[in-house]
Amino acid sequence: RKEVEQDPGPFNVPEGATVAFNCTYSNSASQSFFWYRQDCRKEPKLLMSVYSSGNEDGRFTAQLNRASQYISLLIRDSKLSDSATYLCVVNPSSGDKLTFGTGTRLAVRP
Amino acid sequence: ETGVTQTPRHLVMGMTNKKSLKCEQHLGHNAMYWYKQSAKKPLELMFVYNFKEQTENNSVPSRFSPECPNSSHLFLHLHTLQPEDSALYLCASSQSTGMSALHFGNGTRLTVT
Repeated sequence: RKEVEQDPGPFNVPEGATVAFNCTYSNSASQSFFWYRQDCRKEPKLLMSVYSSGNEDGRFTAQLNRASQYISLLIRDSKLSDSATYLCVVNPSSGDKLTFGTGTRLAVRP
Repeated sequence: ETGVTQTPRHLVMGMTNKKSLKCEQHLGHNAMYWYKQSAKKPLELMFVYNFKEQTENNSVPSRFSPECPNSSHLFLHLHTLQPEDSALYLCASSQSTGMSALHFGNGTRLTVT
């Protein structure tokens, strides 16, 4: 099983839709979790950290399910500008090595 | 806009060349990283430096040689690369290792001919 696994997509959704991505991780001792966004031919940028109690930032909601070992990202009222690849990032231990998923591609159409 | 600056943005080099990638962070962070991003693969961690000491070498071939003279600067020296080394090389920094979010530079797109 991969350390961090994501559905590569693409997810093609109309503007205004709600879309959700999941990301599973293999190490139950993982301690920190993030969602990053990467636009085509650009560097990844932090979208949000994922906290145990779940957290929301505007149209974006992140949740952690430790029992089933996955994190999720929900995007409400999708905008064209949300089109990007969303990277799930997990720290599988207390060490230095953040592990990235391959990313889920989102395409929002008019 | 970014607090992490990488140069050059693009680099084409032959297999016998020697070149260096440079990264500088202006965020006051203590940790710096090199990542490699190839098409359709997840980001691969190459090296980690914490307070300018190398704490991780992720089984990277010796043709890649990092250098961290201080907490703000990181170099990746390249020599006798192979065509399969062509990729986007990303530098990142974080306040500390492990739990802190990463701030990436805009990357160097390397092509080895």
